[in-house]
Amino acid sequence: DAGVTQSPTHLIKTRGQHVTLRCSPISGHKSVSWYQQVLGQGPQFIFQYYEKEERGRGNFPDRFSARQFPNYSSELNVNALLLGDSALYLCASSLAQGAGANYGYTFGSGTRLTVV
Amino acid sequence: SQKIEQNSEALNIQEGKTATLTCNYTNYSPAYLQWYRQDPGRGPVFLLLIRENEKEKRKERLKVTFDTTLKQSLFHITASQPADSATYLCALINTNAGKSTFGDGTTLTVKP
Repeated sequence: DAGVTQSPTHLIKTRGQHVTLRCSPISGHKSVSWYQQVLGQGPQFIFQYYEKEERGRGNFPDRFSARQFPNYSSELNVNALLLGDSALYLCASSLAQGAGANYGYTFGSGTRLTVV
Repeated sequence: SQKIEQNSEALNIQEGKTATLTCNYTNYSPAYLQWYRQDPGRGPVFLLLIRENEKEKRKERLKVTFDTTLKQSLFHITASQPADSATYLCALINTNAGKSTFGDGTTLTVKP
């Protein structure tokens, strides 16, 4: 069974552009969470989606948005990119909103975004 | 908001010894505490979780304790091996708000 898959694996964008990152959860997992991880720091929570609805949001500006599709895959969009948005973006899935708390989250390998 | 602090300094130990990592938190709200392992260039991998009403949890060579009075969790790896070398992350999960807070991790190096 495939794990959490993220695409692309690496991306280089110019300041001011927008970017779309994609995530496919483990089959049967209905909850997807997004995180930003800067080198040397822990993952910072951005969003959690469950059943196509936003269930949690971290302290990120409105330039960050996301959505979840009927097949439970998800996209993270970032507009007006800044140099400081350069980071590893991680997606994590779980069976349900609370399941991640009970059984842990399964993370993908992430998308490395570089803004120049 | 919740804040988590982990040992900022890297931990270097000899193979066979017990590694002990510390996670301190503030502004506790109903949550679970989880530990993850992260290798360079990879996503975190879930190891163990402990609930607020549990004092201790074990899984093979791993042990986690949770002291809600001290607001601290300790993570132990017994009989450590070089393959245990990685960064270990502590996370508080707030199921009510759908949020999670991760620490910055402690890098463990086990020398043969």
